[in-house]
Amino acid sequence: NAGVTQTPKFRILKIGQSMTLQCTQDMNHNYMYWYRQDPGMGLKLIYYSVGAGITDKGEVPNGYNVSRSTTEDFPLRLELAAPSQTSVYFCASSLDARSYEQYFGPGTRLTVT
Amino acid sequence: KQEVTQIPAALSVPEGENLVLNCSFTDSAIYNLQWFRQDPGKGLTSLLLIQSSQREQTSGRLNASLDKSSGRSTLYIAASQPGDSATYLCAGRGGSNYKLTFGKGTLLTVNP
Repeated sequence: NAGVTQTPKFRILKIGQSMTLQCTQDMNHNYMYWYRQDPGMGLKLIYYSVGAGITDKGEVPNGYNVSRSTTEDFPLRLELAAPSQTSVYFCASSLDARSYEQYFGPGTRLTVT
Repeated sequence: KQEVTQIPAALSVPEGENLVLNCSFTDSAIYNLQWFRQDPGKGLTSLLLIQSSQREQTSGRLNASLDKSSGRSTLYIAASQPGDSATYLCAGRGGSNYKLTFGKGTLLTVNP
């Protein structure tokens, strides 16, 4: 199993550009999550999904969009990049929302200038 | 709203020492708590998941405890090694919404 994979690893965007961060898991997990991690801060939940076709907002959803057309994939879209979106983005998955561990991808380091 | 605090923010110890990392949370209706390790520039690796019905969990040299009544969890690392150097994060899963709330982490340095 590859677990949770994310692409790209690094990206530099100019203000106003858009991009999609890709996330794929091969563990057949229903639940998937997107977090951002800013220096010296804990991880903040952006969006999550409880299954294909179902998504919901987390703590910091503004400026982002998600979709979940398959169990495996959970892409995160930035439409109009802003410097405040400079961060490290982590995708995670879990078998359910309650009892099981969350497994994390390696992260995407995004800089917006 | 659940808040998770980790103290100290950084800890430096000599190799071979036993150490304890602390995690406190404000909502005692916690469902479970997960400890992670994060190496520089890397993702999070799950170390231990401890359910609210459990008092502790063990994996190798690691032992995590959970005390809901006092709002505390500890991660005990026995016989520390330089390879244990990393940031350790704890995250609590709320009883009502099941989302993980993370602490800011403790940066551990084990000196040879």
